[in-house]
Amino acid sequence: DADVTQTPRNRITKTGKRIMLECSQTKGHDRMYWYRQDPGLGLRLIYYSFDVKDINKGEISDGYSVSRQAQAKFSLSLESAIPNQTALYFCATSDPTSGKYQETQYFGPGTRLLVL
Amino acid sequence: GQNIDQPTEMTATEGAIVQINCTYQTSGFNGLFWYQQHAGEAPTFLSYNVLDGLEEKGRFSSFLSRSKGYSYLLLKELQMKDSASYLCAVRPFYGGSQGNLIFGKGTKLSVKP
Repeated sequence: DADVTQTPRNRITKTGKRIMLECSQTKGHDRMYWYRQDPGLGLRLIYYSFDVKDINKGEISDGYSVSRQAQAKFSLSLESAIPNQTALYFCATSDPTSGKYQETQYFGPGTRLLVL
Repeated sequence: GQNIDQPTEMTATEGAIVQINCTYQTSGFNGLFWYQQHAGEAPTFLSYNVLDGLEEKGRFSSFLSRSKGYSYLLLKELQMKDSASYLCAVRPFYGGSQGNLIFGKGTKLSVKP
């Protein structure tokens, strides 16, 4: 079974709708991240959480919100979706106590979102 | 500001060797990562450098020069399955928000028969 899972894998929605993307992990990592990836722009950080009570904005948080329901679950919400939020969204986790490969981030399979 | 540069695209031949370069200008340095990403899939970890020099892992090697703000990923004995994007990412500091990774835009490698 995958260590980091995301649901849904694909989603089509309309402008103005509220949607939620979910991420679950079985790696036991405290830290979780949400990124979006756009062609030619690379991965950009939306929000990150160092533990259940510690949530922080990333580079591009406007229009998004998050919820850390438990160590294993981190959800991303688009309150009112707009077409320029069409992108590939990735969840990632990391362990600050890891050894040689200090705090490598491990990515989920991604959610492809299309906002019409 | 923070900036990471890598070539947008590269093409190489099956069985050959290819070197993908990455240069960075960041407010600090606490490690550089290389990830492989096949089209439409998740990035997967390839290598990590924090000290100057070469790290070798099978067909893949990664080199770092902190004084030059420069790294490269070397892929030997190229296979068709190596066709993917290769992402360079830098951690400016360790700890807190400054510990987050900054990603380059990726280099799309096409391996031809």
